[in-house]
Amino acid sequence: GEQVEQLPSSLIVQEGASVLINCSYTDSASVYFPWYKQEPGKRLQFIIDIRSNMERKQTQRLTLLFDKKTKHLSLHITATQPGDSAIYFCSARLNTGNYKYVFGAGTRLKVIA
Amino acid sequence: GPKVLQIPSHQIIDMGQMVTLNCDPVSNHLYFYWYKQILGQQMEFLVNFYNGKVMEKSKLFKDQFSVERPDGSYFTLKIQPTALEDSAVYFCASSPRSNERLFFGHGTKLSVL
Repeated sequence: GEQVEQLPSSLIVQEGASVLINCSYTDSASVYFPWYKQEPGKRLQFIIDIRSNMERKQTQRLTLLFDKKTKHLSLHITATQPGDSAIYFCSARLNTGNYKYVFGAGTRLKVIA
Repeated sequence: GPKVLQIPSHQIIDMGQMVTLNCDPVSNHLYFYWYKQILGQQMEFLVNFYNGKVMEKSKLFKDQFSVERPDGSYFTLKIQPTALEDSAVYFCASSPRSNERLFFGHGTKLSVL
Protein backbone atom coordinates (compact mmCIF):
# COMPACT_ATOMS: atom_id res chain seq x y z
CA GLY A 1 0.00 0.00 0.00
CA GLU A 2 0.89 3.66 -0.14
CA GLN A 3 3.75 4.80 2.09
CA VAL A 4 4.68 8.37 2.88
CA GLU A 5 8.10 9.35 4.18
CA GLN A 6 8.99 12.71 5.67
CA LEU A 7 12.38 14.19 6.31
CA PRO A 8 13.80 15.54 8.47
CA SER A 9 12.11 14.17 11.57
CA SER A 10 12.98 17.31 13.50
CA LEU A 11 14.34 20.82 12.96
CA ILE A 12 15.48 23.59 15.27
CA VAL A 13 15.96 27.03 13.72
CA GLN A 14 16.32 30.63 14.76
CA GLU A 15 13.41 32.98 14.23
CA GLY A 16 13.51 34.44 10.72
CA ALA A 17 15.16 31.44 9.12
CA SER A 18 13.63 29.45 6.25
CA VAL A 19 12.98 25.73 6.50
CA LEU A 20 12.40 22.95 4.02
CA ILE A 21 10.40 19.82 4.78
CA ASN A 22 10.56 16.95 2.32
CA CYS A 23 7.94 14.33 1.66
CA SER A 24 8.01 11.36 -0.69
CA TYR A 25 5.35 8.80 -1.50
CA THR A 26 5.34 5.45 -3.23
CA ASP A 27 2.04 5.05 -5.07
CA SER A 28 1.85 6.92 -8.37
CA ALA A 29 -1.96 6.79 -8.10
CA SER A 30 -1.87 9.39 -5.33
CA VAL A 31 -3.44 12.61 -6.55
CA TYR A 32 -4.05 14.90 -3.59
CA PHE A 33 -1.63 16.02 -0.89
CA PRO A 34 -2.92 18.08 2.04
CA TRP A 35 -0.48 19.22 4.74
CA TYR A 36 -1.33 19.82 8.36
CA LYS A 37 0.25 21.44 11.37
CA GLN A 38 -0.21 20.15 14.92
CA GLU A 39 0.69 22.33 17.89
CA PRO A 40 1.25 20.54 21.22
CA GLY A 41 -1.98 19.06 22.55
CA LYS A 42 -4.05 20.45 19.71
CA ARG A 43 -5.93 19.15 16.68
CA LEU A 44 -4.34 18.86 13.25
CA GLN A 45 -4.85 22.11 11.39
CA PHE A 46 -4.88 22.24 7.59
CA ILE A 47 -2.22 24.59 6.18
CA ILE A 48 -1.84 23.97 2.44
CA ASP A 49 -2.58 21.38 -0.23
CA ILE A 50 -1.72 20.54 -3.81
CA ARG A 51 -3.22 18.29 -6.46
CA SER A 52 -1.25 16.17 -8.89
CA ASN A 53 -2.06 18.45 -11.85
CA MET A 54 -0.11 21.31 -10.24
CA GLU A 55 3.61 21.89 -9.63
CA ARG A 56 3.54 24.73 -7.16
CA LYS A 57 1.24 26.40 -4.69
CA GLN A 58 1.94 29.37 -2.46
CA THR A 59 0.06 30.94 0.41
CA GLN A 60 1.61 33.67 2.55
CA ARG A 61 4.89 32.25 3.92
CA LEU A 62 4.29 28.70 2.65
CA THR A 63 5.36 27.35 -0.74
CA LEU A 64 4.56 23.76 -1.69
CA LEU A 65 6.36 22.16 -4.62
CA PHE A 66 5.27 18.92 -6.26
CA ASP A 67 7.24 16.67 -8.61
CA LYS A 68 5.05 13.94 -10.04
CA LYS A 69 7.93 12.20 -11.78
CA THR A 70 9.98 11.71 -8.63
CA LYS A 71 6.93 11.40 -6.34
CA HIS A 72 8.30 14.12 -4.14
CA LEU A 73 6.93 17.18 -2.38
CA SER A 74 8.68 19.92 -0.46
CA LEU A 75 7.22 22.52 1.87
CA HIS A 76 9.15 25.73 2.21
CA ILE A 77 8.40 28.01 5.16
CA THR A 78 9.99 31.46 5.08
CA ALA A 79 10.53 34.03 7.85
CA THR A 80 9.74 31.51 10.58
CA GLN A 81 8.24 32.67 13.87
CA PRO A 82 8.01 30.94 17.28
CA GLY A 83 4.31 30.39 16.51
CA ASP A 84 5.34 28.12 13.64
CA SER A 85 6.68 25.61 16.18
CA ALA A 86 4.64 22.45 15.65
CA ILE A 87 4.68 19.03 14.03
CA TYR A 88 4.09 19.23 10.30
CA PHE A 89 2.42 16.31 8.53
CA CYS A 90 2.37 15.48 4.85
CA SER A 91 -0.46 13.24 3.64
CA ALA A 92 -1.38 11.52 0.39
CA ARG A 93 -4.65 10.29 -0.99
CA LEU A 94 -5.07 7.75 -3.75
CA ASN A 95 -7.40 8.30 -6.67
CA THR A 96 -8.54 4.72 -6.39
CA GLY A 97 -9.84 2.52 -3.65
CA ASN A 98 -11.50 3.92 -0.60
CA TYR A 99 -10.17 7.46 -0.28
CA LYS A 100 -8.04 6.96 2.77
CA TYR A 101 -5.30 9.44 3.55
CA VAL A 102 -1.87 8.11 4.45
CA PHE A 103 0.28 10.33 6.65
CA GLY A 104 4.01 10.78 6.99
CA ALA A 105 5.59 10.41 10.42
CA GLY A 106 5.75 14.17 10.86
CA THR A 107 8.48 16.80 11.12
CA ARG A 108 8.86 18.46 14.50
CA LEU A 109 9.82 22.12 13.98
CA LYS A 110 11.02 24.32 16.81
CA VAL A 111 11.61 28.01 16.13
CA ILE A 112 13.71 29.79 18.74
CA ALA A 113 13.19 33.51 19.33
CA GLY B 1 -14.44 27.61 10.79
CA PRO B 2 -16.29 24.31 10.99
CA LYS B 3 -15.18 22.10 13.81
CA VAL B 4 -15.25 18.43 14.64
CA LEU B 5 -16.04 17.78 18.31
CA GLN B 6 -14.76 14.78 20.22
CA ILE B 7 -16.08 13.56 23.56
CA PRO B 8 -14.49 12.85 26.00
CA SER B 9 -11.09 14.55 25.75
CA HIS B 10 -9.54 11.96 28.06
CA GLN B 11 -10.73 8.50 29.05
CA ILE B 12 -9.06 6.24 31.59
CA ILE B 13 -10.19 2.65 31.55
CA ASP B 14 -9.18 -0.73 32.93
CA MET B 15 -7.92 -3.32 30.47
CA GLY B 16 -10.72 -5.57 29.28
CA GLN B 17 -13.45 -2.99 29.67
CA MET B 18 -15.42 -1.50 26.82
CA VAL B 19 -14.96 2.10 25.70
CA THR B 20 -16.86 4.25 23.22
CA LEU B 21 -15.24 7.32 21.71
CA ASN B 22 -17.68 9.88 20.35
CA CYS B 23 -17.24 12.21 17.44
CA ASP B 24 -19.59 14.96 16.28
CA PRO B 25 -18.49 15.64 12.69
CA VAL B 26 -19.10 18.83 10.73
CA SER B 27 -22.81 18.85 9.89
CA ASN B 28 -22.77 18.57 6.10
CA HIS B 29 -19.81 16.20 5.88
CA LEU B 30 -20.22 12.75 4.39
CA TYR B 31 -16.88 10.99 4.93
CA PHE B 32 -15.65 10.07 8.39
CA TYR B 33 -12.31 8.78 9.62
CA TRP B 34 -10.58 7.53 12.75
CA TYR B 35 -6.82 7.84 13.18
CA LYS B 36 -4.62 6.63 16.03
CA GLN B 37 -1.63 8.68 17.18
CA ILE B 38 0.96 7.31 19.57
CA LEU B 39 3.52 9.48 21.41
CA GLY B 40 2.48 12.59 19.49
CA GLN B 41 3.94 11.27 16.29
CA GLN B 42 2.72 8.95 13.54
CA MET B 43 -0.91 9.33 12.47
CA GLU B 44 -2.05 5.79 11.74
CA PHE B 45 -5.20 5.24 9.67
CA LEU B 46 -7.76 3.02 11.36
CA VAL B 47 -10.96 3.21 9.35
CA ASN B 48 -13.09 5.37 7.09
CA PHE B 49 -16.86 5.40 6.77
CA TYR B 50 -19.34 6.63 4.20
CA ASN B 51 -23.06 6.22 3.64
CA GLY B 52 -23.46 4.07 6.72
CA LYS B 53 -20.70 1.63 5.80
CA VAL B 54 -17.04 1.00 6.48
CA MET B 55 -15.07 1.77 3.33
CA GLU B 56 -11.67 0.55 4.39
CA LYS B 57 -10.03 -0.56 7.60
CA SER B 58 -6.36 -1.03 8.39
CA LYS B 59 -4.59 -3.89 10.16
CA LEU B 60 -4.76 -1.77 13.34
CA PHE B 61 -8.55 -1.98 13.23
CA LYS B 62 -8.76 -5.21 15.18
CA ASP B 63 -11.85 -7.39 15.57
CA GLN B 64 -12.44 -5.69 18.92
CA PHE B 65 -13.03 -2.37 17.13
CA SER B 66 -16.29 -1.24 15.59
CA VAL B 67 -17.67 2.00 14.19
CA GLU B 68 -21.15 3.29 13.55
CA ARG B 69 -23.14 6.46 13.02
CA PRO B 70 -26.73 5.67 13.90
CA ASP B 71 -29.28 8.07 12.37
CA GLY B 72 -26.76 10.79 11.58
CA SER B 73 -25.78 11.30 15.20
CA TYR B 74 -22.33 10.79 16.69
CA PHE B 75 -19.77 8.81 14.71
CA THR B 76 -18.49 6.36 17.31
CA LEU B 77 -15.48 4.11 17.75
CA LYS B 78 -16.10 1.27 20.16
CA ILE B 79 -13.36 -0.97 21.53
CA GLN B 80 -14.48 -4.11 23.31
CA PRO B 81 -12.50 -5.42 25.10
CA THR B 82 -9.68 -2.89 25.45
CA ALA B 83 -6.01 -3.90 25.59
CA LEU B 84 -2.96 -2.05 26.92
CA GLU B 85 -1.73 -1.35 23.40
CA ASP B 86 -4.91 0.56 22.65
CA SER B 87 -3.57 3.46 24.74
CA ALA B 88 -3.15 6.37 22.32
CA VAL B 89 -4.81 9.54 21.15
CA TYR B 90 -7.67 8.83 18.76
CA PHE B 91 -8.51 11.51 16.24
CA CYS B 92 -11.78 11.72 14.40
CA ALA B 93 -11.91 13.55 11.07
CA SER B 94 -14.58 14.36 8.53
CA SER B 95 -14.70 15.64 4.98
CA PRO B 96 -17.52 16.94 2.75
CA ARG B 97 -16.30 15.03 -0.30
CA SER B 98 -13.84 12.25 -0.95
CA ASN B 99 -11.32 14.57 -2.61
CA GLU B 100 -11.28 17.29 0.04
CA ARG B 101 -8.99 17.71 3.00
CA LEU B 102 -9.90 16.42 6.42
CA PHE B 103 -11.23 18.43 9.35
CA PHE B 104 -9.90 17.00 12.60
CA GLY B 105 -11.23 16.92 16.14
CA HIS B 106 -9.06 17.65 19.20
CA GLY B 107 -8.60 13.96 19.87
CA THR B 108 -9.51 11.65 22.73
CA LYS B 109 -6.63 10.45 24.84
CA LEU B 110 -7.34 6.85 25.83
CA SER B 111 -5.37 5.40 28.72
CA VAL B 112 -5.82 1.67 29.27
CA LEU B 113 -4.51 0.54 32.65
